[in-house]
Amino acid sequence: GAGVSQSPSNKVTEKGKDVELRCDPISGHTALYWYRQSLGQGLEFLIYFQGNSAPDKSGLPSDRFSAERTGGSVSTLTIQRTQQEDSAVYLCASSSGQGTTDTQYFGPGTRLTVL
Amino acid sequence: AQRVTQPEKLLSVFKGAPVELKCNYSYSGSPELFWYVQYSRQRLQLLLRHISRESIKGFTADLNKGETSFHLKKPFAQEEDSAMYYCALTPPLSYGKLTFGQGTILTVHP
Repeated sequence: GAGVSQSPSNKVTEKGKDVELRCDPISGHTALYWYRQSLGQGLEFLIYFQGNSAPDKSGLPSDRFSAERTGGSVSTLTIQRTQQEDSAVYLCASSSGQGTTDTQYFGPGTRLTVL
Repeated sequence: AQRVTQPEKLLSVFKGAPVELKCNYSYSGSPELFWYVQYSRQRLQLLLRHISRESIKGFTADLNKGETSFHLKKPFAQEEDSAMYYCALTPPLSYGKLTFGQGTILTVHP
């Protein structure tokens, strides 16, 4: 079946604007993760959703970042008042949510550039 | 807090040579350990996980709890192994939130 998809693939925005990044997980996967891949920080965890449970937001770098997951499927990561340091590739991953060692399947990422 | 260190940012070998990508971790317990790989213009994907004791594409990884290491090895590197490799860990009985190392770019020359 289809893998994890993300849109847009590339986003260029001006400093101070808000952006929304979308993730469609693999059908049936209850666990969804957002990570950020940047030159200075490597790959870092942002937020985790599992079913209808409250998300783990412990990796969000500031209150400008938020995410939601509607209907247990599609997720949107929103960055308000973007800053240049937000420039990175934002990766979404999903898994079956059955255990710690589940394979996480990654999307192609959204490359965000803040001018 | 857990931490994963990959000391080599770049690693170059010739085809047919052995290759070892180093990974050290710090965690007060027994984490679950993984290697993920990202080939050029492809998405990040799982290569292998410690719990499965598997060999994938000729790669193996041995956990050394005394040295807190999880190095990735292959006896004979191939050009198609050229990629970015990430070591990652997640605490046991967690939901799989991954902490990644900085990654190692492996280049296998013909």
